[in-house]
Amino acid sequence: DTGVSQDPRHKITKRGQNVTFRCDPISEHNRLYWYRQTLGQGPEFLTYFQNEAQLEKSRLLSDRFSAERPKGSFSTLEIQRTEQGDSAMYLCASSSGQGLHGYTFGSGTRLTVV
Amino acid sequence: QKEVEQDPGPLSVPEGAIVSLNCTYSNSAFQYFMWYRQYSRKGPELLMYTYSSGNKEDGRFTAQVDKSSKYISLFIRDSQPSDSATYLCAAGDYKLSFGAGTTVTVRA
Repeated sequence: DTGVSQDPRHKITKRGQNVTFRCDPISEHNRLYWYRQTLGQGPEFLTYFQNEAQLEKSRLLSDRFSAERPKGSFSTLEIQRTEQGDSAMYLCASSSGQGLHGYTFGSGTRLTVV
Repeated sequence: QKEVEQDPGPLSVPEGAIVSLNCTYSNSAFQYFMWYRQYSRKGPELLMYTYSSGNKEDGRFTAQVDKSSKYISLFIRDSQPSDSATYLCAAGDYKLSFGAGTTVTVRA
């Protein structure tokens, strides 16, 4: 296992379209997190899962956003009816749940809404 | 107000200098403190991880946490051009709050 994998690396979409991103965490990690990062800012927390349960959602996660983690393995983040303000880097991280030890980020999916 | 505030950059230093990066945080419940390095258009890479107060050293990197003043620091000794990147501080309990990042350039 080489780390957290995210797909696609880049996505360009037209405003109003739906997009879905995938994250594959480190296999032994039971916690999975989604963050969003805009230019010149640090990552902002969106949501997190422990196994398959979504335990917290940020107020940043509007009703156009939905995240799932079926079977507690990979996760998907879907954005419906994309807006230009959704353009950002979407980062996934995973950890073992023992404190924050090993909190590892993927390379991110860069979304551009045109 | 953000939970983690980071000294703004950019910071430019000559090769071999000591780089000093600082952050403050507001939530006294935070127990975990991290420093990440991020290159352009890449994900953050974990550099240092500290639990509670104290110092931690790893090669040329030293992280300090002072919980009494809610202050987080990272020092890079004998800086190299390859250290040029954006450095992000983060703090949290089960999730992380990040500073905005400081872009560091080490001039050869």
